[in-house]
Amino acid sequence: AQSVTQLGSHVSVSEGALVLLRCNYSSSVPPYLFWYVQYPNQGLQLLLKYTSAATLVKGINGFEAEFKKSETSFHLTKPSAHMSDAAEYFCAVSDQDSSYKLIFGSGTRLLVRP
Amino acid sequence: KAGVTQTPRYLIKTRGQQVTLSCSPISGHRSVSWYQQTPGQGLQFLFEYFSETQRNKGNFPGRFSGRQFSNSRSEMNVSTLELGDSALYLCASSLQGRETQYFGPGTRLLVL
Repeated sequence: AQSVTQLGSHVSVSEGALVLLRCNYSSSVPPYLFWYVQYPNQGLQLLLKYTSAATLVKGINGFEAEFKKSETSFHLTKPSAHMSDAAEYFCAVSDQDSSYKLIFGSGTRLLVRP
Repeated sequence: KAGVTQTPRYLIKTRGQQVTLSCSPISGHRSVSWYQQTPGQGLQFLFEYFSETQRNKGNFPGRFSGRQFSNSRSEMNVSTLELGDSALYLCASSLQGRETQYFGPGTRLLVL
């Protein structure tokens, strides 16, 4: 079965610093991969997705992620953190072949220090 | 285009009661999925509907059920509520299921 691991339940960065949120998946076949963000008391907002096109995916709000098959990773980065980036971030995977469901990682809460 | 809407946004029930939550997908989207979010278990898939048919189901007891109407709107029902059912219930829609899922704001259910 597919699984997603997000290293670090909390990540703290200073405003203007690099943001790196880690995600590893388990799959023998490259899946569809997603990053979602959740602000307090809100639903999930799609940041970006990988669907076997370019390995470097650019998303909204300056975020990007690189798909690395050899490392089964899909880490999320942003060159310069902004206070408004403080939120919880979820990595998710879906099967290409049969499943219509998303399997989520446990989430990483990003704290941005002024 | 309007996003996914969910009603009600907040709900308080007592153990043993039942509850129905509603989800209206983005116009033109025919697939609706439901997820439960709790601090302990995280985000877990409940079920997915397409053209009024359940295509996929997560590992939840039979107390959790759903349906989809001809206009793609969906409802989920939880019977005989337990304290552990307290959660944020999220609905997501997509065109046909395998594409990007767009989430609603969720319904926060508190079971007392």
